[in-house]
Amino acid sequence: GDSVTQTEGPVTVSESESLIINCTYSATSIAYPNLFWYVRYPGEGLQLLLKVITAGQKGSSRGFEATYNKETTSFHLQKASVQESDSAVYYCALGINNYAQGLTFGLGTRVSVFP
Amino acid sequence: NSKVIQTPRYLVKGQGQKAKMRCIPEKGHPVVFWYQQNKNNEFKFLINFQNQEVLQQIDMTEKRFSAECPSNSPCSLEIQSSEAGDSALYLCASSPRSYEQYFGPGTRLTVL
Repeated sequence: GDSVTQTEGPVTVSESESLIINCTYSATSIAYPNLFWYVRYPGEGLQLLLKVITAGQKGSSRGFEATYNKETTSFHLQKASVQESDSAVYYCALGINNYAQGLTFGLGTRVSVFP
Repeated sequence: NSKVIQTPRYLVKGQGQKAKMRCIPEKGHPVVFWYQQNKNNEFKFLINFQNQEVLQQIDMTEKRFSAECPSNSPCSLEIQSSEAGDSALYLCASSPRSYEQYFGPGTRLTVL
């Protein structure tokens, strides 16, 4: 079946430092799945952070970026300068090209940003 | 921010008891999903609906779990006879028939 592997947390960074969370996927049901990053801030629900549905393209939101690399089957999340408010759990997920299918999630990466 | 509403936020049941949770999808979203997120952070897709019809469900859901999405009423997920292993965060998500899914805050079930 499909699977997602991401950086095992927790990850701690200082404010204004850069952050990268690795995500690699394996999709057996489709060659080019849709890729997503979701985020769960403390005390809140799971939110869609960004998505890319076309291989080779980059998605961005709230200062975060992720590029869909079909050669390395990766979708790493990066931010050049984090803030304390970026402390959260980040989940990489994949979906096939069918709105009726459930998503496959990674185990999440807890990020703590210290001032 | 998502407008998916889930109730209750917390649910505590004894083993063998029924556990029922509800979800109101975002307005205009005809597709609803239920997931289970366990204590190891693993997500498991349970079932999904388009309007009132089941699209897909896993085997587990077919046995002790039941779900429905009646028209003009909240969707619901019910566990007929709760087991300790059912303790988890149950997430409802809705989709406007596109690639994205929008999640509610979840119902945290504890089975004692």
